[in-house]
Amino acid sequence: GEDVEQSLFLSVREGDSSVINCTYTDSSSTYLYWYKQEPGAGLQLLTYIFSNMDMKQDQRLTVLLNKKDKHLSLRIADTQTGDSAIYFCAESMMTGFQKLVFGTGTRLLVSP
Amino acid sequence: DGGITQSPKYLFRKEGQNVTLSCEQNLNHDAMYWYRQDPGQGLRLIYYSQIVNDFQKGDIAEGYSVSREKKESFPLTVTSAQKNPTAFYLCASSIGSNTGELFFGEGSRLTVL
Repeated sequence: GEDVEQSLFLSVREGDSSVINCTYTDSSSTYLYWYKQEPGAGLQLLTYIFSNMDMKQDQRLTVLLNKKDKHLSLRIADTQTGDSAIYFCAESMMTGFQKLVFGTGTRLLVSP
Repeated sequence: DGGITQSPKYLFRKEGQNVTLSCEQNLNHDAMYWYRQDPGQGLRLIYYSQIVNDFQKGDIAEGYSVSREKKESFPLTVTSAQKNPTAFYLCASSIGSNTGELFFGEGSRLTVL
């Protein structure tokens, strides 16, 4: 079945690291994505990881993938107040077209 | 600048009325999508279109209809048959239907009075 789960809320202080976790169900997913949604806006792609990778780093962002446990995480280093947003993980499922199954989203609140 | 434009940003509807949400893209993308977002839930796929004049139902198509007469445009009609239409609606596009990232519009918030 299709089910991507995330915790709903995370609160950190400015300058700390944030770790947002996600579990997914489809072991055949080819790509896993992290999207960011700012208040009242659409989603923007932050980063993605191919399923044969364990880790991907992109500036302050580090994505870790544990295929055995179907666990994906996003670490944001030196979190800033501008990072406050909802973060969605998504898995791609090839069903004749690229269907993205999104998680429930984690609301990150960064306090000064 | 290339992008996706959704309108209106806010819309109020009385029960029993149909409303149409506009989605226009100038990215020359083949594939377009409509998602619905409810608080505390992930995005759910309503309809998608891989090419002009073709579209398929997503996971929650009941009470919705779409058309794809032009590559740039993918309007969504929320009909009176949709039992719980109050939500945030997001339109997206991608270069192809089997690769790449989704580009999202800013969303349309529909409230049924």
